Amino acid sequence: AQSVTQLGSHVSVSEGALVLLRCNYSSSVPPYLFWYVQYPNQGLQLLLKYTTGATLVKGINGFEAEFKKSETSFHLTKPSAHMSDAAEYFCAVSDDYKLSFGAGTTVTVRA
Amino acid sequence: KAGVTQTPRYLIKTRGQQVTLSCSPISGHRSVSWYQQTPGQGLQFLFEYFSETQRNKGNFPGRFSGRQFSNSRSEMNVSTLELGDSALYLCASSWDGLNTGELFFGEGSRLTVL
Repeated sequence: AQSVTQLGSHVSVSEGALVLLRCNYSSSVPPYLFWYVQYPNQGLQLLLKYTTGATLVKGINGFEAEFKKSETSFHLTKPSAHMSDAAEYFCAVSDDYKLSFGAGTTVTVRA
Repeated sequence: KAGVTQTPRYLIKTRGQQVTLSCSPISGHRSVSWYQQTPGQGLQFLFEYFSETQRNKGNFPGRFSGRQFSNSRSEMNVSTLELGDSALYLCASSWDGLNTGELFFGEGSRLTVL
């Protein structure tokens, strides 16, 4: 079964600083990988996804992620954090019609 | 277009009761999946339906069940509620399922079991 590990349950960054959220996956076959964001009292929203093709994936709100097969990683970055980026972020891998989520990383942004 | 609609948004039940949650997917989406979100266990997959057929099921006891109707609307039922069933239940829809498609999530149904 596929699984993902998110390193760090909480990340605090200053406004304007780099946001880096780490995700590693276990997979015996090329995976489909996703990053979702959840704002308080809301459902999840897709930030970006990797299926095939280009390994650098650009998503919404200035986020991007790079698929590195050799490192089994799919880290999420944003060059400059904004206060509105405060939320919980989930990495996920799809397998057999289900998504397996990481434990999530809560991002707080300091003014 | 309208998003994924889940009802009810909030509900309180007592142990031993049963509950039914409803999910209306985005128009044209044929896949509906359900997830349980708790602080301790995070997001866990319950089941996925496509054109009224369950294609996959997570590791939950038989008290958790679901179904999908011909109009793609889905319901999940939890019988004999336990305190540990208190959670946010999220429904998601997509055009053709998970592997290549984007999931669109509803805002969830928050269940409290007393």
